Amino acid sequence: QSVLTQPPSASGTPRQRVTISCSGSSSNIGSNTVNWYQQLPGTAPKLLIYSNNQRPSGVPDRISGSKSGTSASLAISGLQSEDEADYYCAAWDDSLNGWVFGGGTKLTVL
Amino acid sequence: EVQLVESGGGLVKPGGSLRLSCAASGFVFSSFSMNWVRQAPGKGLEWVSSISSSSFHIHYADSVKGRFTISRDNAKNSVYLQMNSLTAEDTAVYYCARDVRYGDVYYMDVWGKGATVTVSS
Repeated sequence: QSVLTQPPSASGTPRQRVTISCSGSSSNIGSNTVNWYQQLPGTAPKLLIYSNNQRPSGVPDRISGSKSGTSASLAISGLQSEDEADYYCAAWDDSLNGWVFGGGTKLTVL
Repeated sequence: EVQLVESGGGLVKPGGSLRLSCAASGFVFSSFSMNWVRQAPGKGLEWVSSISSSSFHIHYADSVKGRFTISRDNAKNSVYLQMNSLTAEDTAVYYCARDVRYGDVYYMDVWGKGATVTVSS
């Protein structure tokens, strides 16, 4: 059982916009910034969004993040086949003194 | 190029031990905290342990506390994970990840390709 809660799956058609939610608590998302990772099959996670809504260099602006209270969300617009991957949210937890992750959301492009 | 390369994975019997290493390059290693994160087959990401730049602050997930020990050698630009009393539940790909912290912004930005640990008789 993951500390952060994500839907196990999401889907959309090409050019569509999809959002993935991430729910936590006051000790993690409520107190600290949220990060999002993309994991393609057989590869290491890649940082997609940090500090709630900041994109590292190289991440397209059709990918965005937001946070409100103890929840966060990742939005991908203009969906492309290469967006098919697993997506994880993460935050530092002040009570556990460690990183916590969501269970991951498998995004399928139909 | 900023890079992390894990090594030391393999097959070990239940109750056995293994030591993972992570070699860093392309950045000032001694300025960053480091983490180990694992992923069991077909499962999600699970944080294992973190160590601050000076080794002063060390934290473990409850699932490994008392069995795993994280350490680092800034002179060798390396971080280690000593794993003892291994069980089948420790079978996973173990990733080394760099920790970035400034103000109230925390994130893990660079990840290695991972080292596979299989615990089986």
